[in-house]
Amino acid sequence: GESVGLHLPTLSVQEGDNSIINCAYSNSASDYFIWYKQESGKGPQFIIDIRSNMDKRQGQRVTVLLNKTVKHLSLQIAATQPGDSAVYFCAEQGGSEKLVFGKGTKLTVNP
Amino acid sequence: DAMVIQNPRYQVTQFGKPVTLSCSQTLNHNVMYWYQQKSSQAPKLLFHYYDKDFNNEADTPDNFQSRRPNTSFCFLDIRSPGLGDAAMYLCATSRDHHASEQYFGPGTRLTVT
Repeated sequence: GESVGLHLPTLSVQEGDNSIINCAYSNSASDYFIWYKQESGKGPQFIIDIRSNMDKRQGQRVTVLLNKTVKHLSLQIAATQPGDSAVYFCAEQGGSEKLVFGKGTKLTVNP
Repeated sequence: DAMVIQNPRYQVTQFGKPVTLSCSQTLNHNVMYWYQQKSSQAPKLLFHYYDKDFNNEADTPDNFQSRRPNTSFCFLDIRSPGLGDAAMYLCATSRDHHASEQYFGPGTRLTVT
């Protein structure tokens, strides 16, 4: 069935370093992927998305990479700041139209 | 300006006492979703409306119902809350079903006593 998982539940980085958050998905039919950021007590906030016909997309300080061969998605955050501390979820969408969320990675940025 | 609004932000109800959570949107989006999120877990889709068409997830308990009286508003009714229903309830909207960004509200934290 559809499922999305993450390699690491927690990630701790120093302020100013680059962060890489990884995600593995199992549904090869998924054609749309999103990264969300969720701060404590708040709803998920859209960061960036990518369609399956792309392998890279860049935003402001963020880059999403999609490797369909190994069904792997990653989020790179450049020059990580304390305000980036949050839980990050990847999500996939395929034929069922349902957005399936991964388990989440908690990013902690140390000053 | 808030685009997806949820009220109340915190709700306390008693075991078995019906409760209604509300969501409104200013985006005029076609699709509205309700998710349940328990501590340290990912959001889990309960159901969604595409316009007036209701789509229930297969594993959503019958205890959970929803109403969408118009484009802007959507309600989540929990008929007989159990202790296991304590969670954050998130409302989201999207313009369309597929490949369309979902905008989330701030959530309602439900406590069942």
